[in-house]
Amino acid sequence: GEDVEQSLFLSVREGDSSVINCTYTDSSSTYLYWYKQEPGAGLQLLTYIFSNMDMKQDQRLTVLLNKKDKHLSLRIADTQTGDSAIYFCAESMASGGSYIPTFGRGTSLIVHP
Amino acid sequence: GAVVSQHPSRVICKSGTSVKIECRSLDFQATTMFWYRQFPKQSLMLMATSNEGSKATYEQGVEKDKFLINHASLTLSTLTVTSAHPEDSSFYICSASMRADQPQHFGDGTRLSIL
Repeated sequence: GEDVEQSLFLSVREGDSSVINCTYTDSSSTYLYWYKQEPGAGLQLLTYIFSNMDMKQDQRLTVLLNKKDKHLSLRIADTQTGDSAIYFCAESMASGGSYIPTFGRGTSLIVHP
Repeated sequence: GAVVSQHPSRVICKSGTSVKIECRSLDFQATTMFWYRQFPKQSLMLMATSNEGSKATYEQGVEKDKFLINHASLTLSTLTVTSAHPEDSSFYICSASMRADQPQHFGDGTRLSIL
């Protein structure tokens, strides 16, 4: 299987909370990231969490990490139509001094009125 | 902070043309930059790691003579797709980080279309 897995689609109603889930296989992962990609654009770093953290909150975004289950989630509160995008989960660990992320295939979030 | 600029954003050219894509870190120095390729509805595939002042490190299966990478300064890396063919059409994205243990910041990507 793939190193980082996430569901391909999520549809929510505007104003509701969105929860995007991700699982990874490498227990040595040091950093875990969430990136957002809008159509035709590059990736925007939303947030990241160090592997010794359980939770990180930044405004409408909450990241939860269950290291035992190798499960990462991103919760977007009060989801807006502008949140519609592809969200990539990624993990990295030190390799030759660099932390090169391994990405999932992305979850396409669709927010409808 | 941590802005990465990538140019051009879109290129359409004939088969056999060589195309150069630039990646600049605007407000920080990056000893290492990364080049990715993204196919439609797919994840990012790392092509190579670009190191300032030295040769790039290519991932398995990526032709180094096809995809020339130059990292001439701490703020600029270029990817040249030589003698491009339709199968090279793709979305190419670069990234850079301030330090090896810091997250990567991405450019806006270049949509390359070879006719």
